[in-house]
Amino acid sequence: NAGVMQNPRHLVRRRGQEARLRCSPMKGHSHVYWYRQLPEEGLKFMVYLQKENIIDESGMPKERFSAEFPKEGPSILRIQQVVRGDSAAYFCASSPQNADTQYFGPGTRLTVL
Amino acid sequence: KNEVEQSPQNLTAQEGEFITINCSYSVGISALHWLQQHPGGGIVSLFMLSSGKKKHGRLIATINIQEKHSSLHITASHPRDSAVYICAVFPNTGNQFYFGTGTSLTVIP
Repeated sequence: NAGVMQNPRHLVRRRGQEARLRCSPMKGHSHVYWYRQLPEEGLKFMVYLQKENIIDESGMPKERFSAEFPKEGPSILRIQQVVRGDSAAYFCASSPQNADTQYFGPGTRLTVL
Repeated sequence: KNEVEQSPQNLTAQEGEFITINCSYSVGISALHWLQQHPGGGIVSLFMLSSGKKKHGRLIATINIQEKHSSLHITASHPRDSAVYICAVFPNTGNQFYFGTGTSLTVIP
């Protein structure tokens, strides 16, 4: 059973470009969570999704950021018009049902030049 | 105000030493995780606790629900234990983890 997969592992974008981060949950998991880890800071919750639904996006910036988890395919975290402050590690986690048991992916490290 | 406080922030130990990392939290929880993150690496869940004590190899984790406190112990520490250790709590209500800022551990040979 493959673990949570994220790609790309490293992403470099110039200011103003779009960044798309993908997360494939573990097989059988229908709940996905995105977290952001800014340099020298702790992990912060961004958004919680189930298939085709956003359950809680209270941690997501109101502008430029969006997330989806379609019926087929991976979950996507999309950042439009990236700025230098978006440079961070973005982690995805998945769970089967109980949200207090989550498995983390390896993360995507976004660098905005 | 941070719901989860960890101490110490940084810790340097000699190989073989016994290490303790502490975590205090302020909310009622259904579970607490200890996570390990190596530099530039992913996050691995070491333990999930809701009560009592768990042991895995040289690692021991304890939790006291009444005192809202958990500890992670490493016996006979080794340089490969060098990493950031993060305490994460899942509250009784809500959909998200709250994370401590992490304890950066360096074990010197």
